[in-house]
Amino acid sequence: DAKTTQPPSMDCAEGRAANLPCNHSTISGNEYVYWYRQIHSQGPQYIIHGLKNNETNEMASLIITEDRKSSTLILPHATLRDTAVYYCIVRVHSGNTPLVFGKGTRLSVIA
Amino acid sequence: KAGVTQTPRYLIKTRGQQVTLSCSPISGHRSVSWYQQTPGQGLQFLFEYFSETQRNKGNFPGRFSGRQFSNSRSEMNVSTLELGDSALYLCASRVATSTDTQYFGPGTRLTVL
Repeated sequence: DAKTTQPPSMDCAEGRAANLPCNHSTISGNEYVYWYRQIHSQGPQYIIHGLKNNETNEMASLIITEDRKSSTLILPHATLRDTAVYYCIVRVHSGNTPLVFGKGTRLSVIA
Repeated sequence: KAGVTQTPRYLIKTRGQQVTLSCSPISGHRSVSWYQQTPGQGLQFLFEYFSETQRNKGNFPGRFSGRQFSNSRSEMNVSTLELGDSALYLCASRVATSTDTQYFGPGTRLTVL
């Protein structure tokens, strides 16, 4: 079972920041937080991952709370092409554990 | 660098038939994983191959099998197809170790009639 909780859906105005929350209150010390997104009927796309420090790349920023029980994915300037289902996944960085996907958050970016 | 490719992209089969799907990983990637996505169950892990050996397996019946070739390309086979096998089958590759990021292909849409 997925170890994360996400809101089922969110709306965001085009050009504004999209802040997608994720709760992972049972996360272990050796588990990372990963974010993927899936645009309709395409394969999931990797966005970003982190352990405990905030991370930023060309796509997004990941903010992890100090107690690591929750995180927020930030898309700084959402566009219509960011409309997708966003998955938050916690996963150990060792061993051969697969990605376990929950239901994700369906983000709709509105013009 | 080219991404993960999957063939065919769409497939229609009838109950009882078998099907083989193909996945070519990103160049240099040695691990290939397969996932099934359905509206009811979401994305579920099938199995992972590394260096031609299955090193992890999900909770699917034995009708689902796979293999990996020496060039890291992988195939998955589903025998005795059932209506419930209709799904998007996704392949993901990564360099080698569990610390590497997985990159997904576009998927194969299988419809069983």
